[in-house]
Amino acid sequence: EVQLLESGGGLVQPGGSLRLSCAASGFTLSSYAMSWVRQAPGKGLEWVSVISDSGGSTYYADSVKGRFTFSRDNSKNTLYLQMNSLRVEDTAVYYCGKLGRSSTHSHADYWGQGTLVIVSS
Amino acid sequence: DIVMTQSPDSLAVSLGERATINCKSSQSVLNSSNNKNYLAWYQQKPGQPPKLLIYWASTRESGVPDRFRGSGSGTDFTLTISSLQAEDVAVYYCQQYYNIPFTFGPGTKVDIK
Repeated sequence: EVQLLESGGGLVQPGGSLRLSCAASGFTLSSYAMSWVRQAPGKGLEWVSVISDSGGSTYYADSVKGRFTFSRDNSKNTLYLQMNSLRVEDTAVYYCGKLGRSSTHSHADYWGQGTLVIVSS
Repeated sequence: DIVMTQSPDSLAVSLGERATINCKSSQSVLNSSNNKNYLAWYQQKPGQPPKLLIYWASTRESGVPDRFRGSGSGTDFTLTISSLQAEDVAVYYCQQYYNIPFTFGPGTKVDIK
């Protein structure tokens, strides 16, 4: 059974940093591209980033480009989202998603339960 | 960026009746090299992560009831729930994965009338 478990969320001040983790199990992580999306309280889904199966390619939404870094350690079955220079508007539940294939241009077929990030002074 | 729009914003349908949600992209998401539309539909219930229903615009995900049907091509797409059940109350999102950023529609809330 595919499982994605996000962690690392919490309360942080504007300008601060957080690192989210996503522990993957039940599938061969190295065979799939992965993604992060977020959802601000009471709002819709916003795509954040995608990483290729090897980690060699990453892409970001303009809203986080230059501040967030998506990486993966396939040997540890774990993905990371390093978030720097956090802003109030980054407050959201962050979901880790498994894509349907190795290509970054794919739908996500599984999502974790999410981790809440609150950016506030 | 490809802008995704959905209509209506919300709808209320009687149990057993049909629900239809429309999704429109600001440019085509059809890849002519493989003839696939890079369009997915997700269902999200309160307090839960999104759940994949449909991908490649019309391929139903394994385990999804056959009352859910995706159709359309190019820039215009539709999600149809043929006979609404109580457990279908949710927000439904379309997403294009043709061009980065992979944008979502704003969502359509489906309720029981």
